[in-house]
Amino acid sequence: DAGITQSPRHKVTETGTPVTLRCHQTENHRYMYWYRQDPGHGLRLIHYSYGVKDTDKGEVSDGYSVSRSKTEDFLLTLESATSSQTSVYFCAISESRPKGAFFGQGTRLTVV
Amino acid sequence: DAKTTQPNSMESNEEEPVHLPCNHSTISGTDYIHWYRQLPSQGPEYVIHGLTSNVNNRMASLAIAEDRKSSTLILHRATLRDAAVYYCAFNTGANSKLTFGKGITLSVRP
Repeated sequence: DAGITQSPRHKVTETGTPVTLRCHQTENHRYMYWYRQDPGHGLRLIHYSYGVKDTDKGEVSDGYSVSRSKTEDFLLTLESATSSQTSVYFCAISESRPKGAFFGQGTRLTVV
Repeated sequence: DAKTTQPNSMESNEEEPVHLPCNHSTISGTDYIHWYRQLPSQGPEYVIHGLTSNVNNRMASLAIAEDRKSSTLILHRATLRDAAVYYCAFNTGANSKLTFGKGITLSVRP
């Protein structure tokens, strides 16, 4: 299995609080991605990174920011969590453009 | 970004072939077509990818239409363990943006 770890795996937080999810890889892959998964919507891209300090927005980036200060870590931050951000969040990594991506086990976030 | 259309669900009998379709009429010439599957309570798993030519690997085959506006994932002999959600996805642009369709839920009957 690809070396990719998401933390925390589960989190409950209150509306209005900041939340940071971490994706850590040991594969030295260039590309990293954050998705959210909700019933009826499949996987939606939030942000992605194509190198250290190189990131771009995905389909549903409002309310989220990311940072990648080193190859192995990609952080997703909810600046002020809302109930609409209750979801399962997946991180993925990819070595190169044609190659498949490997996914973490997901983080279940509940905003109350 | 390429927009995708997949049926919501499909059923198959065990040990029969399964053809899972994906329509992507707005795909660009350099977008890679990927397929992933997701078992219950797990993260998605890469299955196969292609650009223009049909592809085979140990898990499945990928058939890409000549105009690239559609593709089909082929499972040659469905097993109960193949019951999952199957997503077609696209890797776009030099920065490798990876976006997914909504997925097909495959049920396999014994």
